Amino acid sequence: ILNVEQSPQSLHVQEGDSTNFTCSFPSSNFYALHWYRWETAKSPEALFVMTLNGDEKKKGRISATLNTKEGYSYLYIKGSQPEDSATYLCAFDAGNMLTFGGGTRLMVKP
Amino acid sequence: EAQVTQNPRYLITVTGKKLTVTCSQNMNHEYMSWYRQDPGLGLRQIYYSMNVEVTDKGDVPEGYKVSRKEKRNFPLILESPSPNQTSLYFCASSLAFSSEKLFFGSGTQLSVL
Repeated sequence: ILNVEQSPQSLHVQEGDSTNFTCSFPSSNFYALHWYRWETAKSPEALFVMTLNGDEKKKGRISATLNTKEGYSYLYIKGSQPEDSATYLCAFDAGNMLTFGGGTRLMVKP
Repeated sequence: EAQVTQNPRYLITVTGKKLTVTCSQNMNHEYMSWYRQDPGLGLRQIYYSMNVEVTDKGDVPEGYKVSRKEKRNFPLILESPSPNQTSLYFCASSLAFSSEKLFFGSGTQLSVL
């Protein structure tokens, strides 16, 4: 079983703060790194799928970077809003299987 | 509407009583998979399928069966459920088996008494 780790496990921020979290993964057998957003009582929804070392993706206030050589990805949220409160999951894609990290639970206080 | 339909949403059953959780997608996706979510453990893959009649074990396949007779359907079968299979289950699909985002079903909360 592959080791995919996310930190921190949880994070409380004030509305308007910018924040970031980390996903670390194996540097071998890499096909892609996925980020998902999972709101309470809903299903996970895809944010990004990143495949190339140095890749940067952006969607509104959320962006992500990828370093496949050292095995990490950062997710950034600029100017957090209460509606950003969710669990953010990363998943290591080894070509036929996805291995998910434990997630970072973000809570944004108004 | 493009979606993954998973049923039922909630299920309470007793040990040993066979059950099936259905999963269907209308996006002509090749790849489908099942996950379980347990507190503190994250999403763990049970089984996956890269195409019709092609299935393979994930990280936690014990006690589960799947079949992929049609491209759109990928049911999860628990032949003899046990209490340690109490969990939140998700079906997901993607266009291809690698580097494509997953679309998740709405989840099934299963309790085995």
